Formats: sequence, C-alpha cells, structure tokens
Amino acid sequence: ETGVTQSPTHLIKTRGQQVTLRCSSQSGHNTVSWYQQALGQGPQFIFQYYREEENGRGNFPPRFSGLQFPNYSSELNVNALELDDSALYLCASSLGGVANTGELFFGEGSRLTVL
Amino acid sequence: DQQVKQNSPSLSVQEGRISILNCDYTNSMFDYFLWYKKYPAEGPTFLISISSIKDKNEDGRFTVFLNKSAKHLSLHIVPSQPGDSAVYFCAAFAPRGGGADGLTFGKGTHLIIQP
Repeated sequence: ETGVTQSPTHLIKTRGQQVTLRCSSQSGHNTVSWYQQALGQGPQFIFQYYREEENGRGNFPPRFSGLQFPNYSSELNVNALELDDSALYLCASSLGGVANTGELFFGEGSRLTVL
Repeated sequence: DQQVKQNSPSLSVQEGRISILNCDYTNSMFDYFLWYKKYPAEGPTFLISISSIKDKNEDGRFTVFLNKSAKHLSLHIVPSQPGDSAVYFCAAFAPRGGGADGLTFGKGTHLIIQP
C-alpha cells in the first residue's frame, strides 16, 4: 500500500510568483484535502476535493486553487505569492463523502519559503 | 478566533509516568474529535478519535476523554515512553456537514518524555 507522497519537499519562491505543489493520494482514497501549517501553528484547512470537484473550502483567498485528477492525485496552485504564504503545505487523503470520519492520512509536506 | 485551543505549548513528563494533554473547543457543531501526532520532518499521523456520543475511548496506552458540557477533551498516555516525544494536535470535525469543512486543528502541544 502506497502512502501519500508530495513534491517538491522544499522550494523557494519570490513574492509575486506562482507555485504548484503536487500530491499523490494513498491507494483506494478518493478525497484529497490541503492544509497550510505556518510556523508555530496548527494545520489550517485550505480546501477539499472529492471525485475531482472542490466540495469544501476554508478561509483562503481565490489565489489558492486546486485540481484533482481521475487517479485522485492533486495539485495546489498559489498565485501572486505573498511573504505570509511561507509555510508547510500538507496534503491528506481519505475515503470521502458522508462516510468521512475525519481520519486523514498526511504526506510529509512541501515547505514553501517566499522571499 | 480559535475554535480549538491547546493552551500548553509544551509538556515535560518522566518516562513511565502519565502524560495528560488538554484541548478545549468553542464550536458546539463539532461532534467528532481526533488526536494527531507529529514527528519533525513527517506529516501528522492519526492517533485516536472520539465521537460526541461517547465520553471515553481507549486504544492501548492511549485514552481520550470528552466532557461535552465543558467543551473539553484530554488525551492520556500511560505509561509514557521515549517514542511518545512529539507534537500532539487536537482536531475537531463536523461529519453532519459531509466532511467538506475539513478538520479544525489546535496549535499543538510539544510532549517531551524525559528518561
């Protein structure tokens, strides 16, 4: 059974640039969610994708967008990067829909630094 | 406005003794609670959960207690072992919403088990 994998593990961007982060979900999982963890904070929910459609979103602006592909892998895109976007971005997969009990399987994260 | 609060940033416990991690929440809509454990450079891993219809759930050395009237939950680890040293996140969830709102996390408590 393959776990959740994310790429890249680390990256550095400058303010105003765009970034794409990638995630492969755990085998058999059809729901992917993304979280942002700033230094000293808990993970914050960005959005969730279920069967290729966004079905939930946290308090993040539209410049945070995503995709889920037919194989349930996912991308997180952030446009017009700001310094405060520097954080660890965590991808998590699960069995979604109404059966979701909240138990998520997280990847190791992508650490983004915006200069 | 933090809906899930972990007021102790760190906790030091002697090996073999009981570790008690506390968590408070403010949102009455939460009806499912989870604890995640995080080691450095790894994603959070699910530890134990509890539904609001219960007041206790036990899994080996880990027990979670829920006091709904006080909006408080706690994680007990006994006996504490060196491998338990990690950051512990309390998280809450409302499955009635179909799970699309994601998990709400606290800021975490860094548990240090001393030999």
